[in-house]
Amino acid sequence: AQKITQTQPGMFVQEKEAVTLDCTYDTSDQSYGLFWYKQPSSGEMIFLIYQGSYDEQNATEGRYSLNFQKARKSANLVISASQLGDSAMYFCAMRSGYSTLTFGKGTMLLVSP
Amino acid sequence: NAGVTQTPKFRILKIGQSMTLQCTQDMNHNYMYWYRQDPGMGLKLIYYSVGAGITDKGEVPNGYNVSRSTTEDFPLRLELAAPSQTSVYFCASSYTVGYTEAFFGQGTRLTVV
Repeated sequence: AQKITQTQPGMFVQEKEAVTLDCTYDTSDQSYGLFWYKQPSSGEMIFLIYQGSYDEQNATEGRYSLNFQKARKSANLVISASQLGDSAMYFCAMRSGYSTLTFGKGTMLLVSP
Repeated sequence: NAGVTQTPKFRILKIGQSMTLQCTQDMNHNYMYWYRQDPGMGLKLIYYSVGAGITDKGEVPNGYNVSRSTTEDFPLRLELAAPSQTSVYFCASSYTVGYTEAFFGQGTRLTVV
């Protein structure tokens, strides 16, 4: 079985600052993928970034980077230079082996001017 | 490029009524999923399908049924609606069980009264 834990129900950050959203995972599989999704107040699910378990480099997509620490089973999302439009719910998710996509409970990020 | 299309966007049902949530994708994805999202929570898997004619239960399948007669369509049937089924429902699709991201529909907000 696989499990995703997001321990921060809410995070506050000022505009232009960086913020880290925590995610830990549990799986007995050696091969897996980790994902982050953004859900703004409008409700849609927006894919942000992906990290494969065998990827040696941390994934980056524009202002988003994934701090992947395999030994600690953590996959934290780092948003650099926060913008007001980054205010949203953020979900960490994983897929391992032949399982389907499992989500954490999410972290609400609020960016203030 | 339509992606994943869900209908309807909103629906109010009375207890005991039935309805079908429609989902179609035009990306030729073989994997499709139905999730529900309760307020302030992450997404829980209801059913999924790995290809036409093949479906399987997820974490919370009770009260729902699915079918997959074509690659494109994956309808979710609610029989005898109950207040506990009040939720936002998301359909998603992906290429394979491999570690590509899932693409989500816009969601259906269902209220059972």
